[in-house]
Amino acid sequence: DIVMTQSPESLAVSLGERATINCKSSQSILYGSNNQDSLAWFQQKPGQPPKLLIHWASSRKPGVPDRFIGSGSGTDFTLTISSLQAEDVAVYYCQQYNSIPLTFGGGTKVEIK
Amino acid sequence: QVQLQQSGPGLVKPSQTLSLTCAISGDSVSRNTAAWNWIRQSPSRGLEWLGRTYYRSEWNSDYAVSVQSRIIINGDKAKNQFTMQLNSVTPEDSAVYYCARGFSLDFWGQGTVVTVSS
Repeated sequence: DIVMTQSPESLAVSLGERATINCKSSQSILYGSNNQDSLAWFQQKPGQPPKLLIHWASSRKPGVPDRFIGSGSGTDFTLTISSLQAEDVAVYYCQQYNSIPLTFGGGTKVEIK
Repeated sequence: QVQLQQSGPGLVKPSQTLSLTCAISGDSVSRNTAAWNWIRQSPSRGLEWLGRTYYRSEWNSDYAVSVQSRIIINGDKAKNQFTMQLNSVTPEDSAVYYCARGFSLDFWGQGTVVTVSS
């Protein structure tokens, strides 16, 4: 199984400041057919299912604000919230879908400082 | 807009079978580029993928090793839905269960809180 390791477990950021979340896969998740990394980022608020923000490591799902930026390649990936808003308080997860079983990181809790 | 509507019991007795249904609107369970997943979430295990079904001229399923001896996921073209059966449940199977579409899990059901208790 591909292990997804997220860091930090939690972070507190001032409104308007940048939040950075890291995700590392235990092996390459490069999808050969399109040469893109099979990496997704989710946002989860209490009592709600996870919501897809980004797939293929850097492609925002339509309707997702452009302050959410996915980057990275190979085995190291980053989700950046460029200017934190109050509504961004949530837990964020990375997930690989390159191979079965699909696997998730342990989550990063983002709070307001 | 794709919507997934889950249904099923919230309380199951130990050793019994958990059965959940995910009804699909805005897409087809038998679309030959789609996949339909079950995932659960608990404080002890985090987000755990359980398995998926997909139609490629015939039905196929993949399962997580942790549950593969106890789980069946089926698609139903007539009702445009898919189901999960998890047999021989124990309290460790208590979790929030979700259905979700695709490989990058772009749409999710609302979740079902399942408690295994006598």
